[in-house]
Amino acid sequence: KQEVTQIPAALSVPEGENLVLNCSFTDSAIYNLQWFRQDPGKGLTSLLLIQSSQREQTSGRLNASLDKSSGRSTLYIAASQPGDSATYLCAAHTNAGKSTFGDGTTLTVKP
Amino acid sequence: DAGVIQSPRHEVTEMGQEVTLRCKPISGHNSLFWYRQTMMRGLELLIYFNNNVPIDDSGMPEDRFSAKMPNASFSTLKIQPSEPRDSAVYFCASSYGLAKNIQYFGAGTRLSVL
Repeated sequence: KQEVTQIPAALSVPEGENLVLNCSFTDSAIYNLQWFRQDPGKGLTSLLLIQSSQREQTSGRLNASLDKSSGRSTLYIAASQPGDSATYLCAAHTNAGKSTFGDGTTLTVKP
Repeated sequence: DAGVIQSPRHEVTEMGQEVTLRCKPISGHNSLFWYRQTMMRGLELLIYFNNNVPIDDSGMPEDRFSAKMPNASFSTLKIQPSEPRDSAVYFCASSYGLAKNIQYFGAGTRLSVL
């Protein structure tokens, strides 16, 4: 059974700092991995999707990497802003469509 | 497109009552997913459909839970009878293809069973 772990559970940084969020998964037979953002009381918004054949994906200040062999993915946020404050979740998907989510990292960016 | 639409946004009901949650996926998407989110258990996949057919319902917690997708533009998740431990936020998501493409989430239904 796939297990997805995100460390740390919470992170607080000053504005402007670069930061890395971690996601690890136990079963490397994934089809892709997706990073989401969730604001309090809201649904999930997809940030980046990395296919299993890819090593990384970039969107603006966000860069996500994937290392299937080690069962790890990272989300790098450059020049963090208070508006980046949210909970970030990663999800590992199988090719059959089954998704396993981590518990998320709650990020607070202080002005 | 208006995105994935869920209704109601909030539901408060008494234990033992039937609850029906509704979801309208994004037009053109052929995969639909139902999730439940709680503080204790995080986000759990309950069931998902592809081309209106249930593919995997192993995440459905009990026989009290059932889901249907009668057509490509509508799905329901029903809990009967409801219990206080069913209180959670229930999300619906849709995508084109089971795994290849991004899942788009609805705003969720916050269910409180008293």
